Amino acid sequence: KAGVTQTPRYLIKTRGQQVTLSCSPISGHRSVSWYQQTPGQGLQFLFEYFSETQRNKGNFPGRFSGRQFSNSRSEMNVSTLELGDSALYLCASRTGPSSNQPQHFGDGTRLSIL
Amino acid sequence: AQTVTQSQPEMSVQEAETVTLSCTYDTSENNYYLFWYKQPPSRQMILVIRQEAYKQQNATENRFSVNFQKAAKSFSLKISDSQLGDTAMYFCAFMGANDYKLSFGAGTTVTVRA
Repeated sequence: KAGVTQTPRYLIKTRGQQVTLSCSPISGHRSVSWYQQTPGQGLQFLFEYFSETQRNKGNFPGRFSGRQFSNSRSEMNVSTLELGDSALYLCASRTGPSSNQPQHFGDGTRLSIL
Repeated sequence: AQTVTQSQPEMSVQEAETVTLSCTYDTSENNYYLFWYKQPPSRQMILVIRQEAYKQQNATENRFSVNFQKAAKSFSLKISDSQLGDTAMYFCAFMGANDYKLSFGAGTTVTVRA
């Protein structure tokens, strides 16, 4: 079974631009979560989607948004990019939103802001 | 909010030897799940082992085992017969029974020496 697939693997943008990251979950997984990983802040939760609905959101500004499609694929969008948005963005999927189901992660998208 | 603490930023171990990583957490919940994830230089976050708080028996996965002390809120990971491929950053993570996100520790970098 294929794992979680994130595209692109690397991305370079400049301040003020916007970016869209994509995540395809493991087949059969309907819950997708996004995390931001930085050296200073570590791993922080961004949001979770299930059945095309955002169920939970972390403590991030409104510039960070996302959506989920009917096939469970998810996209994350960051507008008006800032230098501090440089990070590894990880997507994780699981079968459903129940906490007893472990999350499986993709390889991440490395976003660099110049 | 749950807090997960990993007090060892780095650890080094000789190939074939054993290393133990420490993790403590703070929660008022009685039911929850604990995880150890491994992140090698390839970046993918890989689930190593999972422990349900209501289970007294410590989880084991091949060379990986945990020592779960619920009263002490401690969840250490033991890697036996260390292999070069175990070189990675290891994250301890917590999820409450009614929670939607993983709360991660800062991570411990493990280097296995030949």
